Amino acid sequence: QVQLQESGPGLVKPSGTLSLTCAVSGGSISSISWWTWVRQTPGKGLQWIGEIYHSGSTNYNPSLKSRVTISVDKSKSQFSLKLTSVTAADTAVYFCARKDSSTWSFDYWGQGTVVTVSS
Amino acid sequence: EIVLTQSPATLSLSPGERATLSCGASQSVSSSYLAWYQQKPGLAPRLLMYDASRRATGIPDRFSGSGSGTDFTLTISRLEPEDFAVYYCQQYSSSPLTFGGGTKVEIK
Repeated sequence: QVQLQESGPGLVKPSGTLSLTCAVSGGSISSISWWTWVRQTPGKGLQWIGEIYHSGSTNYNPSLKSRVTISVDKSKSQFSLKLTSVTAADTAVYFCARKDSSTWSFDYWGQGTVVTVSS
Repeated sequence: EIVLTQSPATLSLSPGERATLSCGASQSVSSSYLAWYQQKPGLAPRLLMYDASRRATGIPDRFSGSGSGTDFTLTISRLEPEDFAVYYCQQYSSSPLTFGGGTKVEIK
């Protein structure tokens, strides 16, 4: 059973950088899967941020692409999200998830972590 | 970007009743690349259906999905107490991947 666990600061200052890590256990991060970040806000609902394959290939949401970097560390079995120049609009629950390559849908999710952007 | 519109926003039903949830797409979702998720308060979404009509592992057969093109439906044949939650559709036909705004199924 694949398990995902997000970690990172719960509070980020405006104009700063949001950094989160997702630890993968119970399965190989080098499996045929895309490792994904999704966020959820009361106003905009669920939003796909982007994804990474273990080879390092990435896809990003165009609305966030200029500010987002997703990276993978296979040795630590984890992948990370960096979002720069944050504003209050980036306040959300951030989830990491696995997009399985047989179903192309998100079959495993982390529990989510709340990130608040505030001074 | 494919915009997904879910209706109704809220569905008030009693246990044992049938629930029909709709998801409309702003453009055709190719190959029926549409998924449905269930989310309960404080938890992550849970995959129910993929490819519009295929149940994910462990999902009971009271859940069924149908549709193609721009119109999709999730049906819960007989609501169990644990089915009261928010349901989201999501398309993976084209990037960016997008989600609908959700339908809340509440106890009447």
